[in-house]
Amino acid sequence: EVQLVESGGGLVQPGGSLRLSCAASGFSFSSYSMNWVRQAPGKGLEWVSFIGSMTLYAESVKGRFTISRDNAKNSVFLQMNSLRADDTAVYFCARDGGLGPSFCSGGTCYSRSFDIWGQGTMVTVSS
Amino acid sequence: DIQLTQSPSFLSASVGDRVTITCRASQGISSYLAWYQQKPGKAPKLLIYAASTLQSGVPSRFSGSGSGTEFTLTVSSLQPEDFATYYCQHLTTYPLFGGGTKVEIK
Repeated sequence: EVQLVESGGGLVQPGGSLRLSCAASGFSFSSYSMNWVRQAPGKGLEWVSFIGSMTLYAESVKGRFTISRDNAKNSVFLQMNSLRADDTAVYFCARDGGLGPSFCSGGTCYSRSFDIWGQGTMVTVSS
Repeated sequence: DIQLTQSPSFLSASVGDRVTITCRASQGISSYLAWYQQKPGKAPKLLIYAASTLQSGVPSRFSGSGSGTEFTLTVSSLQPEDFATYYCQHLTTYPLFGGGTKVEIK
């Protein structure tokens, strides 16, 4: 079964750090780009970060969050530093399914639609 | 950055209704658009990619159309399991989402 499972969420104080993990199974992980998406309580979806041939970050997390992957462990990670109250959200990892055409510009190709999602892990930033 | 505006934000409908949700992009994005369905407490589910291609396993009552700056998601005959929130997403550089449309039971 194709599956993504997030872990590492929890309660952290403002200014603190947290590292999220997403374990993949059931597919050739190294062949796929990955994303992190978050959803604040009662709010909509917010794309956070992408890792493919390059990494990308939303403006709201740039300089504070770092995405990485370990293909040997079939995992993608999100290191979150200098956390703020507005980072409180459920964090989902999601696979770029390689479906349809990819937008390419300047020799760089970007993410396609997200076909597989994890169940999410809750991050609460509060004192 | 390209912004996506969904309308309406809320929609009240009955089982069997035909429902259409619109997503407008602040600049042309060709067909680089996806639609997702999300139910409370669950992860989103991909419905449509490349603006009009139905994801495998998604019922044929869902359809997508449009290109450039205006896109629509249509449910031809709303079923009880379709009451959810729907999001569009553009897939050019930063894959940002629209604000969502909540479809509620009338």
